[in-house]
Amino acid sequence: GAVVSQHPSRVICKSGTSVKIECRSLDFQATTMFWYRQFPKQSLMLMATSNEGSKATYEQGVEKDKFLINHASLTLSTLTVTSAHPEDSSFYICSALNSGTASYEQYFGPGTRLTVT
Amino acid sequence: GDSVTQMEGPVTLSEEAFLTINCTYTATGYPSLFWYVQYPGEGLQLLLKATKADDKGSNKGFEATYRKETTSFHLEKGSVQVSDSAVYFCALSDRGGSNYKLTFGKGTLLTVNP
Repeated sequence: GAVVSQHPSRVICKSGTSVKIECRSLDFQATTMFWYRQFPKQSLMLMATSNEGSKATYEQGVEKDKFLINHASLTLSTLTVTSAHPEDSSFYICSALNSGTASYEQYFGPGTRLTVT
Repeated sequence: GDSVTQMEGPVTLSEEAFLTINCTYTATGYPSLFWYVQYPGEGLQLLLKATKADDKGSNKGFEATYRKETTSFHLEKGSVQVSDSAVYFCALSDRGGSNYKLTFGKGTLLTVNP
C-alpha cells in the first residue's frame, strides 16, 4: 500500500515551452502533497505544499507563476513548469501525506527527470 | 528554523563492514525523525522512523535511536551488503506544523564493494 506514482518519469522539452508533471496517490487519499526539487548530488529542496481544493503554499524563493501547482482531487496534484529554461533542468519529486495514518509520514513518488534543451 | 546535519560522504565500505552515518538535528518543536534511502535512479523510500525520545527505528538490518539529549539519530548497520549501496537521507518533521513538512539533510552516498 501507500504507492505514489509520477508521470512522466523522464521528459525533454525545448526552452520556452511548458511541461506538466503528474503526481498520484494510488491507494490512499492525500489532502496534502509536496513538491521537491533535487539537484545532482544534493538534498531535496521543498518547493511547495499542495493542498487539495486550495492554493499551494510556496517556499521562499520559488516563483509561483513559473511553477504552477494544481491539486484538484484527493489523489492528484500537478506541477507545471512554465516557459522552461535550461536552469530548470532537475529531478522533481513529489510526495503525498497519508492523512489516514497517525504518524507524520510522506510517501514519495519515483521522481521525474526534466531536461530543458 | 529546523535543520538536519548529516555526515558528508561519500562512504565506501567492504561487504560485511559496520556502517554508521551520523545525523544531528535542530528543531523548534518535538520532531519525528526519519531515514530515507534513494537507490540509483529512483525516488526516496522510507527506511525507518522514530517519533519520540529513546524510540529505536529498525528495518532491513538498519537501526537508529532517537536521542533527544544529544539531538541525534545516527544510522547503523552491523553488516552491509552490496545492495545497500544508495544515498541515505536523514530528515525530520516538525509536529507543530500542520503540513508536516520534511526537512532533509544533504544525503550521504554509500558504496559497498564486494
